[in-house]
Amino acid sequence: DIQMTQSPSVLSASVGDRVTLNCKASQNINKYLNWYQQKLGEAPKLLIYNTNNLQTGIPSRFSGSGSGTDYTLTISSLQPEDVATYFCFQHNSWPTFGAGTKLELK
Amino acid sequence: QIQLVQSGPELKKPGESVKISCKASGYTFTNYGMYWVKQAPGQGLQYMGWINTETGKPTYADDFKGRFVFFLETSASTAYLQINNLKNEDMATYFCARPLFAYWGQGTLVTVSS
Repeated sequence: DIQMTQSPSVLSASVGDRVTLNCKASQNINKYLNWYQQKLGEAPKLLIYNTNNLQTGIPSRFSGSGSGTDYTLTISSLQPEDVATYFCFQHNSWPTFGAGTKLELK
Repeated sequence: QIQLVQSGPELKKPGESVKISCKASGYTFTNYGMYWVKQAPGQGLQYMGWINTETGKPTYADDFKGRFVFFLETSASTAYLQINNLKNEDMATYFCARPLFAYWGQGTLVTVSS
C-alpha cells in the first residue's frame, strides 16, 4: 500500500498567517490527492480534490498543489474557524489517508 | 440534498456483535459505492473498504477481513457495517462515505467495554 506522510504533525499559527501543510506519498500518485478538514466531533469535510480542485462551498483561501509524490495544502490567510486537523488522502491505488496535521492558533 | 445518516452510538461487551446502518438520501443509491472508515479515539482515519451498491460485492482492507461485514438493504437505500466478536481495539467512530469521500455520514461511536 502507498504510505502517506504528513508534516508537520502539529502546526501553530496566528490569524492572518499563510499556512502550508505537506503530504508526501511513498510513490507517484498521479495527482490523485484529496485534502480533508476535520473539526472535533465532526465528520471530515472535503476541501480539495485531485490536488488543486476546490470543492464547492469551500473558501478560496484554501488551495492545493503538487505532483508526483509531494503535495501541499495552503491556507492563504488563517482564520479562527480553520482550527482543525487536516488529512491528505490518495486514491491513485488502494486508498490511504495520511496521519493528519493538527492546526492550532498561536 | 445528499445525506448519509448513520445509526446512533453503541455500547457493547467484548465478544458481542454490532450493526451500524448508513441511510442514503438525495441520490440514486445504486449509482455510487459505499465506503467505510474507522477512526479510533484521538487517531487518524483508516480506510476499511467498500461495497458495490449495484452488485452487493464487498471489498475489505486487509486489517478488516474476517470479523467485519458490509451488506446492503437496497430497497431502503441503506448500507450496513457489522462487526462480529468485538474486541477492545474495535472501539472507534465508524463513518460511511460516498466515493472519494465527498459526502460522509456523521459517524457512529462504538464503545467496547466489559
